[in-house]
Amino acid sequence: DAGITQSPRHKVTETGTPVTLRCHQTENHRYMYWYRQDPGHGLRLIHYSYGVKDTDKGEVSDGYSVSRSKTEDFLLTLESATSSQTSVYFCAGGGPNTEAFFGQGTRLTVV
Amino acid sequence: RKEVEQDPGPFNVPEGATVAFNCTYSNSASQSFFWYRQDCRKEPKLLMSVYSSGNEDGRFTAQLNRASQYISLLIRDSKLSDSATYLCVVTRGGGFKTIFGAGTRLFVKA
Repeated sequence: DAGITQSPRHKVTETGTPVTLRCHQTENHRYMYWYRQDPGHGLRLIHYSYGVKDTDKGEVSDGYSVSRSKTEDFLLTLESATSSQTSVYFCAGGGPNTEAFFGQGTRLTVV
Repeated sequence: RKEVEQDPGPFNVPEGATVAFNCTYSNSASQSFFWYRQDCRKEPKLLMSVYSSGNEDGRFTAQLNRASQYISLLIRDSKLSDSATYLCVVTRGGGFKTIFGAGTRLFVKA
């Protein structure tokens, strides 16, 4: 196991509230990623990090922010949750151009 | 048009069958290619990388055709345990832009 853990694994939240998802890794990956997975769309990159405090946007970054204050932790924040952000969120470490190791996913429901 | 396209399936095959999936990509600057496997309600895991020369791992064979911009995955002697969704993955831009296909679902039946 590549040592990527996500918390929480499931969350239900109300529209308009801020939500933070946590990704913790024990493998010293320099690169870390946040994806969302929706039916018919596959995995879409939200944000990624290429080092401590170094982050950049992916293809679906609107409404999301990230922070990486240390190598082990990569946080994803939904600033004001909307129903369109109901999804399964995956964190990954590793890459680029090499294998990416994924966490087990977080199922987020915004009601 | 999506940058990486796969037939969503599902492919329903009997045990022992040979099945092939194709994936097309639209950006000629794509650099690296992979197949990942994802079981229901689980995270994706790397199945194999795809090289221009083609590569084989047991019952699995992957091919890359840069001229036609597609990659393929061949599974021989299908097992029940091969039932999963297979994701085609393409990277470009130094690898930071990793594009996943929506996946092809495979059901292998006894």
